[in-house]
Amino acid sequence: AQSVTQLDSHVSVSEGTPVLLRCNYSSSYSPSLFWYVQHPNKGLQLLLKYTSAATLVKGINGFEAEFKKSETSFHLTKPSAHMSDAAEYFCVVSDAGFQKLVFGTGTRLLVSP
Amino acid sequence: DAGVIQSPRHEVTEMGQEVTLRCKPISGHDYLFWYRQTMMRGLELLIYFNNNVPIDDSGMPEDRFSAKMPNASFSTLKIQPSEPRDSAVYFCASSLVREGYNEQFFGPGTRLTVL
Repeated sequence: AQSVTQLDSHVSVSEGTPVLLRCNYSSSYSPSLFWYVQHPNKGLQLLLKYTSAATLVKGINGFEAEFKKSETSFHLTKPSAHMSDAAEYFCVVSDAGFQKLVFGTGTRLLVSP
Repeated sequence: DAGVIQSPRHEVTEMGQEVTLRCKPISGHDYLFWYRQTMMRGLELLIYFNNNVPIDDSGMPEDRFSAKMPNASFSTLKIQPSEPRDSAVYFCASSLVREGYNEQFFGPGTRLTVL
């Protein structure tokens, strides 16, 4: 079965410093992977998606993620954090039928001034 | 497009009462998903539909929960009778599967509190 593991439940950074949110996946086939963001009391918004095209994926708000098959990783990065980036981030993998999504447990990003 | 629309945004009810949550998916999408989010269990898929037909309801917690999709533009999730442990945020999402992947668009959620 497909699964994702988010390695950190909380990440704290200062505004202007880089962001790294870690995600490892498990899949028996070439997966589709996503990062979603959830701001407080809001719904989930798609940040970016990997669908077996380029391994470096660019998303909204300056976020990027790199698919590394050898490491089964799909880490989310941003060169410089902004206060508005404070939110919960979910790493997600599609199931084999590309219908259901399997969500990670989430990483809460805290950004301090 | 207005995105996925859910109503009500907040619902407070008493134990034993019937609760109905509503969802309008994005026009043209052929998949609709209902999720529940709690602090303890995170985000759980309850049920999903394809072309208005329920495909997988294995996530529905028990018989008190039921979901319907009478047409392509409307779905309901009903809890009867409601219990305090049903308190959660319920999200509806819709998608159009294409090119081998499934990008789901989420509504703002309904925050349910059962007293």
